[in-house]
Amino acid sequence: DVKVTQSSRYLVKRTGEKVFLECVQDMDHENMFWYRQDPGLGLRLIYFSYDVKMKEKGDIPEGYSVSREKKERFSLILESASTNQTSMYLCASSLVMSGGNNEQFFGPGTRLTVL
Amino acid sequence: RKEVEQDPGPFNVPEGATVAFNCTYSNSASQSFFWYRQDCRKEPKLLMSVYSSGNEDGRFTAQLNRASQYISLLIRDSKLSDSATYLCVVNRDDKIIFGKGTRLHILP
Repeated sequence: DVKVTQSSRYLVKRTGEKVFLECVQDMDHENMFWYRQDPGLGLRLIYFSYDVKMKEKGDIPEGYSVSREKKERFSLILESASTNQTSMYLCASSLVMSGGNNEQFFGPGTRLTVL
Repeated sequence: RKEVEQDPGPFNVPEGATVAFNCTYSNSASQSFFWYRQDCRKEPKLLMSVYSSGNEDGRFTAQLNRASQYISLLIRDSKLSDSATYLCVVNRDDKIIFGKGTRLHILP
C-alpha cells in the first residue's frame, strides 16, 4: 500500500519560531509537493521538487523554504512563523508530472497553528 | 478569470438521487483532467481520471467537453458515504491546478 507520511498531525508554534514539517514517501516517486489548504482558498502550491536537491517555487512560496536531500523526504521550513501561516499543510508525491498517470498521493496533513 | 472554477456548493441531495456538477477550465492547452475526493478532515484522494471519450466507474461517470472547456462528474444512486468535497484537477504541461472543490451533502 502506497504511503505518504507527515511528521505531525497537529503542531502549535509561536510567532517567530522556526518550523520544520517533514514528509516521507515510500513509493520511489521523483516528484514531491507541499500545499497549504485554507477555507475558501482551496489547495495552494507552495513548493515542489522533481528530483533530489531540486526545487521549484509554486504559487505562494513567500515565507517558506524547502529541502530535498533524499528522494523519499521533502521538508518544508518556515524560517520565522507568522500567524498568517496558520493552516493545514499537505504533502504529496507523484510518479510523473504530466499526462494521464500523474496521480498525486497525499499525506494526512499537518494542522499548524501559529500563536 | 481563475484557471479552474467550481461551484463551491453545498449541494444537498437526498439519498438515492442523481447529482451532477461541473468544473470549467480556462486554458485550452490543458491536457489531462481528474476528479479527487476529499472527506472532512482527510487528505484528497484520486476518484477518477477523465478521458475524452468519457468514463464510468460504478455509479460515477466523468465527462470531458473540450469545446466548451469543462469536465463533469455524475453520481447515480447517491449514498450517504458520497458526502465529501469533490476537487477538479487540471494538468497543463508540468503544472497541476486544483479547483477549490464542490461540497456534496447526501441527506438521509
